[in-house]
Amino acid sequence: EDQVTQSPEALRLQEGESSSLNCSYTVSGLRGLFWYRQDPGKGPEFLFTLYSAGEEKEKERLKATLTKKESFLHITAPKPEDSATYLCAVQAQDTGFQKLVFGTGTRLLVSP
Amino acid sequence: EAGVTQFPSHSVIEKGQTVTLRCDPISGHDNLYWYRRVMGKEIKFLLHFVKESKQDESGMPNNRFLAERTGGTYSTLKVQPAELEDSGVYFCASSQETQYFGPGTRLLVL
Repeated sequence: EDQVTQSPEALRLQEGESSSLNCSYTVSGLRGLFWYRQDPGKGPEFLFTLYSAGEEKEKERLKATLTKKESFLHITAPKPEDSATYLCAVQAQDTGFQKLVFGTGTRLLVSP
Repeated sequence: EAGVTQFPSHSVIEKGQTVTLRCDPISGHDNLYWYRRVMGKEIKFLLHFVKESKQDESGMPNNRFLAERTGGTYSTLKVQPAELEDSGVYFCASSQETQYFGPGTRLLVL
């Protein structure tokens, strides 16, 4: 069964204090790994898709990387507006179906 | 370009009642998905439409849930009769490739 585990569950940073969020996955053939950001009361907002080990994507202060077993979301010099829940999801290759399997997320709080 | 919209944003009903949730996908997106998050758990897949056809409904919990997508445009998800464990946030997403999510409908069954 496809599974996604995110750590830590919650993370508190000071503004400017860089850190990384982890997403470990098991999937029978990875079609894609997705990072979303979710603000309270809103739906997940797409950030990145990674398809193969070694791939990296960047957007402002965020950088996502992928290995064969896990993905990291690196946050460089975060600002309070980066506070949100970050969700990781995988899409399996074998069935041909497109459903996403999500982790429980990491709640990030960045204090000024 | 308008994003995925969902209606209502909140719904409070009593056990045994019927509720219908609506999702309007991004224009031109053939794929439409329903997901649900119950309290403290991860977002879980319910089903996937390609145009008006159900491609994958492996996540539908039981036959109290009925999803339709008439004409390949908007979709409805009906829960009848609702049970306490159906409470949660129901998300809709649409895609050509990347899945874009709506704001969700918060359902509380009392």
